[in-house]
Amino acid sequence: GAVVSQHPSRVICKSGTSVKIECRSLDFQATTMFWYRQFPKKSLMLMATSNEGSKATYEQGVEKDKFLINHASLTLSTLTVTSAHPEDSSFYICSASRDGTGNQPQHFGDGTRLSIL
Amino acid sequence: TQLLEQSPQFLSIQEGENLTVYCNSSSVFSSLQWYRQEPGEGPVLLVTVVTGGEVKKLKRLTFQFGDARKDSSLHITAAQPGDTGLYLCAGVPGNTGKLIFGQGTTLQVKP
Repeated sequence: GAVVSQHPSRVICKSGTSVKIECRSLDFQATTMFWYRQFPKKSLMLMATSNEGSKATYEQGVEKDKFLINHASLTLSTLTVTSAHPEDSSFYICSASRDGTGNQPQHFGDGTRLSIL
Repeated sequence: TQLLEQSPQFLSIQEGENLTVYCNSSSVFSSLQWYRQEPGEGPVLLVTVVTGGEVKKLKRLTFQFGDARKDSSLHITAAQPGDTGLYLCAGVPGNTGKLIFGQGTTLQVKP
């Protein structure tokens, strides 16, 4: 159990376009979902925490207008990279948890490789 | 800011050798987790340690949580090429729910 599906797995698009990434918990209800960014051979950096039905909480240095997060249901959160530029190219990973206190584990998706030309 | 210092960041060894990866912090964590990540995939949870001094074993992998819950180690015995990957420690500070990741250790095991 506790499967998280992330879609798409890979996307290549032109500079200036917006890209939406979906994160779904397939067999459990996720009150809290997390979005991470990972550079090659580096660790995961938390971008934001999203709770179902409320605004996301962004980490310091992450532009909320650039990275729009919506968590409209207990099984779906989306990350939209608006007006993407080459520097936004990265590996984006989501995770989902039954609660946001840390008492429940985070279950990770397989990531989305975003390449902006 | 709670930081997890993970070392070494890169490790290249021969098949059959032993290795230890360390994860240290000046802060106390309610739990620490170890993940393994393959290229192009999400991290996969290996173990969670919660109690200070706890030792957990997973086949050839031994995980230890420090008595003060500020540090942890991962020891691999008789490493195999299949152990190659990125190993990440991550901790939950207090009850924030946020996972703070160490820098990661890229392990290469040569046949």
